[in-house]
Amino acid sequence: GAVVSQHPSWVICKSGTSVKIECRSLDFQATTMFWYRQFPKQSLMLMATSNEGSKATYEQGVEKDKFLINHASLTLSTLTVTSAHPEDSSFYICSAPRGETGEYEQYFGPGTRLTVT
Amino acid sequence: QKEVEQDPGPLSVPEGAIVSLNCTYSNSAFQYFMWYRQYSRKGPELLMYTYSSGNKEDGRFTAQVDKSSKYISLFIRDSQPSDSATYLCAMSAYGNQFYFGTGTSLTVIP
Repeated sequence: GAVVSQHPSWVICKSGTSVKIECRSLDFQATTMFWYRQFPKQSLMLMATSNEGSKATYEQGVEKDKFLINHASLTLSTLTVTSAHPEDSSFYICSAPRGETGEYEQYFGPGTRLTVT
Repeated sequence: QKEVEQDPGPLSVPEGAIVSLNCTYSNSAFQYFMWYRQYSRKGPELLMYTYSSGNKEDGRFTAQVDKSSKYISLFIRDSQPSDSATYLCAMSAYGNQFYFGTGTSLTVIP
């Protein structure tokens, strides 16, 4: 099946620093990728849609200047959490839909656990 | 009204039981339906994918889609302790935007 990877899987950073999370589609091209955050025992919350070659689309309430998204190529999207604060500590997951002959499946990365101290 | 409704559970069953997980939705344009399994501190894993209506079977898992009732189900036969996880339903109309249920927490007791 399709594989989506994320790096790093776990990161601890100090308050005020920035953290970059990478999402890669390993065996297919993804013109669109999605970024989610998930708090313990809660469902996925869509943060933004990353579009290759254009600006990301952010969900209401998500600060675009704080969560910078760059879709650099058809296999790579990055999420940078700028000036991180403890309340940004969460599980960040990316996903990419793969479409073949008009049918679409969405594959998730393994997630990145961010802890801001 | 939410796009997708899913009973969060928790659901607890004995090993070997048949598990039924369900989601309802409101958007009649949805045509791609997915079930994911998520273990604690891991990304969701795609279990089943169904396009349009009908049934799909893969080993112990069966996915059903009833578009007339806007209702989808995932059945797990001969449930195992390793099936203990959170199960998420997801759906999409055109493959460019996906809507998720809140997830159902399942525990299979040995």
